[in-house]
Amino acid sequence: EAGVAQSPRYKIIEKRQSVAFWCNPISGHATLYWYQQILGQGPKLLIQFQNNGVVDDSQLPKDRFSAERLKGVDSTLKIQPAKLEDSAVYLCASSLEGGASTDTQYFGPGTRLTVL
Amino acid sequence: GEDVEQSLFLSVREGDSSVINCTYTDSSSTYLYWYKQEPGAGLQLLTYIFSNMDMKQDQRLTVLLNKKDKHLSLRIADTQTGDSAIYFCAEKPGAGSYQLTFGKGTKLSVIP
Repeated sequence: EAGVAQSPRYKIIEKRQSVAFWCNPISGHATLYWYQQILGQGPKLLIQFQNNGVVDDSQLPKDRFSAERLKGVDSTLKIQPAKLEDSAVYLCASSLEGGASTDTQYFGPGTRLTVL
Repeated sequence: GEDVEQSLFLSVREGDSSVINCTYTDSSSTYLYWYKQEPGAGLQLLTYIFSNMDMKQDQRLTVLLNKKDKHLSLRIADTQTGDSAIYFCAEKPGAGSYQLTFGKGTKLSVIP
């Protein structure tokens, strides 16, 4: 079974530029998550989708971050404009259901963003 | 303060046992997870334990849960150099949002 795919793996941009990340979840997984992992910390949830609807985006900085999951499969996360403090690894995860306590999240390799 | 706390570093000799500890604050947590992250990689689910259990064993891994003290530990028997990584403890609440809350991770270094 293929895992969660993400691209690009690395991205370097200057502050105030825009950037977009792509995620392809495990086939059949209804729920998709985007996490931000700052160096030396655990992942922090940014947004959770159930199919193509948003379940939780309470920790997404909506003035600069946006995400979409068209057709309930692939997802993109965009930052516009980027700030220095956005430098982090952006992890995508997917799970079968999302709404059950028994659900397990599987993570992609992440995109490492460096903002100069 | 942090919802999930872990010590940041652990160093062990190859062949010894490693014990990574974690404390959490949400008494309604239903599942507690251990994830492994190798350099440049995403998080790999190692094991998890349901809150009504106090122990779970999976090959070289043993998870112990003390629900009264909200303490979780991961024991790795016969630690190998390939076990060198960052280990994250995560909790899932029992109601409402099913977000995972992660600790900051424990970096395990295995000395040959």
